[in-house]
Amino acid sequence: SQQGEEDPQALSIQEGENATMNCSYKTSINNLQWYRQNSGRGLVHLILIRSNEREKHSGRLRVTLDTSKKSSSLLITASRAADTASYFCATALSGGYNKLIFGAGTRLAVHP
Amino acid sequence: EAQVTQNPRYLITVTGKKLTVTCSQNMNHEYMSWYRQDPGLGLRQIYYSMNVEVTDKGDVPEGYKVSRKEKRNFPLILESPSPNQTSLYFCASSSPLRSSYNSPLHFGNGTRLTVT
Repeated sequence: SQQGEEDPQALSIQEGENATMNCSYKTSINNLQWYRQNSGRGLVHLILIRSNEREKHSGRLRVTLDTSKKSSSLLITASRAADTASYFCATALSGGYNKLIFGAGTRLAVHP
Repeated sequence: EAQVTQNPRYLITVTGKKLTVTCSQNMNHEYMSWYRQDPGLGLRQIYYSMNVEVTDKGDVPEGYKVSRKEKRNFPLILESPSPNQTSLYFCASSSPLRSSYNSPLHFGNGTRLTVT
C-alpha cells in the first residue's frame, strides 16, 4: 500500500454537515500537507502541518496530526456545495527527500 | 497573477510520435516537478528539479525526459509515447525555505494525454 492513504475513498454529505477525512502513512515525515482538486483541475494547497505540530486551523478547515499513530485528519466544518472536490494528503518524508508522496484521495460530494 | 502554466491542456497522439508538454512558472520558484495522475493511484512523481540544470528521477521516470535550462521552464518530453502513458499530467513548483518539502506546491491545470 502507499505511504499516504486516505479514508474514506468517497464521502457524501448534506450542506451544513461536517466532513472528516483521514490519512495514514508509514514512515517518519517532515510535514504533511492537504490539497483539494476540483474535477480534472490542478491541485490547490490547503494547509501544511509540521511534524512537531498537533493541530492547525484555516477558516473552516481543521487538521490534526498524530505522529505516534502516523495519521492525520482533515475536518471541514459547515460544508458547502462548493466544497465538493477530491482531497489529498501528501507526506514530505524526513531524512532529506525532496518530494511529496500523495495518497489516492477522498472524493467528497456535498449535496445542497 | 502568480501561476503555473501547462500546455497543451489536451493532447491526443499516436504511439511513437515524440511530444513535449511545456510548463512555465512566473513565481521565480527553484523547485519544479512533474506528476502523473491515474485513477486509484493518486499522483506519482515523474521527475523533479531543484534548480537550473539540476534534475532527478521521481518514482516513475521510465519513458520520460525533462530539462531545466531556465528557471521558469520545465518541459516534459516523451520521446516515444506508448498507450500506458495515457494519463493526466501535472506540473508543480515551489520555493523551498530550506528544502522543497517544506513548502506547498503550486500546480498547473493539467494536461490530459491520450496515446493510441
